[in-house]
Amino acid sequence: GEKVEQHESTLSVREGDSAVINCTYTDTASSYFPWYKQEAGKSLHFVIDIRSNVDRKQSQRLIVLLDKKAKRFSLHITATQPEDSAIYFCAASVYGSSGNKLIFGIGTLLSVKP
Amino acid sequence: VTLLEQNPRWRLVPRGQAVNLRCILKNSQYPWMSWYQQDLQKQLQWLFTLRSPGDKEVKSLPGADYLATRVTDTELRLQVANMSQGRTLYCTCRTGTGINYAEQFFGPGTRLTVL
Repeated sequence: GEKVEQHESTLSVREGDSAVINCTYTDTASSYFPWYKQEAGKSLHFVIDIRSNVDRKQSQRLIVLLDKKAKRFSLHITATQPEDSAIYFCAASVYGSSGNKLIFGIGTLLSVKP
Repeated sequence: VTLLEQNPRWRLVPRGQAVNLRCILKNSQYPWMSWYQQDLQKQLQWLFTLRSPGDKEVKSLPGADYLATRVTDTELRLQVANMSQGRTLYCTCRTGTGINYAEQFFGPGTRLTVL
């Protein structure tokens, strides 16, 4: 079946450095790739997404890159701050009989150390 | 602005007992409603997407059996039975599907613990 692999299960960076989380997907028909942030004990919060008609999107300190040929996408967090510490999930949309569903990666626990 | 309300927010479930969850949509511009489960290892998995009142689906997964119902345009329900491991159930909503697929919002979640 469709899969999304998230390559870093944990990531530790110093405040002010950049953090990069990488994901790959298997369904060539996937066209929508969102990222979610989950703080401890809380729900998922949408942070940024990218569609297959572009290869780069930026929102403030967040940059998403998409390489459709390699079926790879990544989240870059620049100038990290301690409040960026959380679990980050990548996902890819898959279209089936019930419409679209999201297939999630396993999550990356990001720690930003002061 | 809160788009989704879920209740209960948490529940202790005696082994063998079923539990009923509700999700209320606060903005009808996001009619595509879904259920996702998050297991104790934080892994997220899509369960159901129900668009229209009257839609009903069942599914059995490792650790629980599910029955989902779209009751009205604003209410989605989930019955969880035969749960052997704890999990959190999230209700989600979005504006469209197919090429109109867009940002999906997650509700606050219902955390279930097996007694």
